[in-house]
Amino acid sequence: GAVVSQHPSWVICKSGTSVKIECRSLDFQATTMFWYRQFPKQSLMLMATSNEGSKATYEQGVEKDKFLINHASLTLSTLTVTSAHPEDSSFYICSAFIPGLTLHNEQFFGPGTRLTVL
Amino acid sequence: QKEVEQDPGPLSVPEGAIVSLNCTYSNSAFQYFMWYRQYSRKGPELLMYTYSSGNKEDGRFTAQVDKSSKYISLFIRDSQPSDSATYLCAMERGSGSRLTFGEGTQLTVNP
Repeated sequence: GAVVSQHPSWVICKSGTSVKIECRSLDFQATTMFWYRQFPKQSLMLMATSNEGSKATYEQGVEKDKFLINHASLTLSTLTVTSAHPEDSSFYICSAFIPGLTLHNEQFFGPGTRLTVL
Repeated sequence: QKEVEQDPGPLSVPEGAIVSLNCTYSNSAFQYFMWYRQYSRKGPELLMYTYSSGNKEDGRFTAQVDKSSKYISLFIRDSQPSDSATYLCAMERGSGSRLTFGEGTQLTVNP
């Protein structure tokens, strides 16, 4: 199946700095990518839907100026956490939606990026 | 009220046991139902995908959907220690649309 990679796999940063997380669809072009956040022992919460060449659609309660999403190509979407604070520490997971790749148009998930803000 | 409810567990069973995992949902617009397995510090991987009410079997895994009761289940037969993970149910209104996840159930299969 399709492979989605994320970089970095983990990052530690100081409060107030910005962190960029990359999500790549390997070997396939993904028109849509999703960004999720997962706190310990909790489920995945959708943050935003990213479509190539257009602005991301953010879920209610997610600050678009704090979580900048860029989907510049069909294989790369980036999430930048600006002015990160300790409460932003979480596991960030992206997924790629590749229409027609499978019979049920599944989303393929990346391995996740663990962000720790000190 | 959450759209999808799932008992977070934890659930601990001996090797070889039959495991039953369940989710209920409130939104009748959900048409597609999935079970994902997530190992610690990893992304979710799709286990089962069903569209309509009924059963679907894949090896040791059986997924059941009862849309009239808004209830879905995942059964694992002959459970193995390698099945130890968090199992998440997920649902979507249309194929390829946004997924709504349950909280996940943490399963431990003891050798």
